[in-house]
Amino acid sequence: GAVVSQHPSWVICKSGTSVKIECRSLDFQATTMFWYRQFPKQSLMLMATSNEGSKATYEQGVEKDKFLINHASLTLSTLTVTSAHPEDSSFYICSARVSTGPGSYTFGSGTRLTVV
Amino acid sequence: EDQVTQSPEALRLQEGESSSLNCSYTVSGLRGLFWYRQDPGKGPEFLFTLYSAGEEKEKERLKATLTKKESFLHITAPKPEDSATYLCAVQGPHDYKLSFGAGTTVTVRA
Repeated sequence: GAVVSQHPSWVICKSGTSVKIECRSLDFQATTMFWYRQFPKQSLMLMATSNEGSKATYEQGVEKDKFLINHASLTLSTLTVTSAHPEDSSFYICSARVSTGPGSYTFGSGTRLTVV
Repeated sequence: EDQVTQSPEALRLQEGESSSLNCSYTVSGLRGLFWYRQDPGKGPEFLFTLYSAGEEKEKERLKATLTKKESFLHITAPKPEDSATYLCAVQGPHDYKLSFGAGTTVTVRA
């Protein structure tokens, strides 16, 4: 089946630094990638939608200058958390739509970000 | 705005004790309702997609059903390995975004 590989699985960074999270589609072309954030015991909250070769569309309340999304190829999308602060600590998950129509969505394994 | 409400928030079962999880939704035009399983520290794992009221799908001990207002995930004779958080999500008519419920955390004791 369609697989999305997400790295790193966990990262600890110092406050004020930037962190990049990568998601690669291994056996299909991901024209659309979604980035989610999940706090403990809460649901997945969509942060942004990215289409290959286009600027990402951010959900209301998400700072586009803080969460930089790049989707330069059909197999790679990245999320960079810039000038990270402790409140950015969370579980970040990417997802790709794998077929046309309603279809199905496959998710990466997630990245646990801890900002100290 | 699409809304998804899952209940109960948590469910503790004895091995073999069947139960059901509920997902109530409000969406202007449902294109698909999705069930996922999520283990701690992992991304969601796809279980089912349901498209129209009356549809049912099964996989091992899990069976998902759909009405015009809600979906149920039935767990028959659960085993400890069925312990996980089960997420429900809907896709509306206008784009490919999914709206998720908060999930039901199922714990199955041996």
